[in-house]
Amino acid sequence: EAQVTQNPRYLITVTGKKLTVTCSQNMNHEYMSWYRQDPGLGLRQIYYSMNVEVTDKGDVPEGYKVSRKEKRNFPLILESPSPNQTSLYFCASSFLGLAGGQSYNEQFFGPGTRLTVL
Amino acid sequence: GENVEQHPSTLSVQEGDSAVIKCTYSDSASNYFPWYKQELGKRPQLIIDIRSNVGEKKDQRIAVTLNKTAKHFSLHITETQPEDSAVYFCAAENTGFQKLVFGTGTRLLVSP
Repeated sequence: EAQVTQNPRYLITVTGKKLTVTCSQNMNHEYMSWYRQDPGLGLRQIYYSMNVEVTDKGDVPEGYKVSRKEKRNFPLILESPSPNQTSLYFCASSFLGLAGGQSYNEQFFGPGTRLTVL
Repeated sequence: GENVEQHPSTLSVQEGDSAVIKCTYSDSASNYFPWYKQELGKRPQLIIDIRSNVGEKKDQRIAVTLNKTAKHFSLHITETQPEDSAVYFCAAENTGFQKLVFGTGTRLLVSP
């Protein structure tokens, strides 16, 4: 089954304790992204990756790190979590398709990780 | 960079009514406009999209329209049903840069 998986699904931690949220996709997609979802703010992109070893900042990258050593995995790292990083996090993978002479980019989202930083 | 505004933030309708959600974007180079539906506690899922070479697209009860000149696009849901209740997100992207920017979401509530 084609899917994006994330772990853990729920995490409660304390300020300053390093954590990693894993993301894996089995669709051989080149593109992967991390988003955070906060009430009233929608989905904001944290980081994205266009291929192995190619990553770039999204709109809200402060306090986060990512790596893309393999095509299928794109972990999100919080080196020193703070309470303002309490949020719902989604990983997504996508491919650039072509139809009718125009490109499109459908994002496939993981199930989400609800993180609470005390 | 791209900025997407979405209205209204909440929308309540009676079952069978139509619902319209509107979005505006700022970057005239954006060429791909998807709509995602997120049910409570679940992940966003693509329900329909439109590309900049098309003005309108329909899929059963759902339709999207795009006005490139005015830089706005809309989602239309006809004959709404309680299972349409969810949060809907619009988004815009210049596919050359692979950066999708989302609106802030519209919570649609369809009452029986």
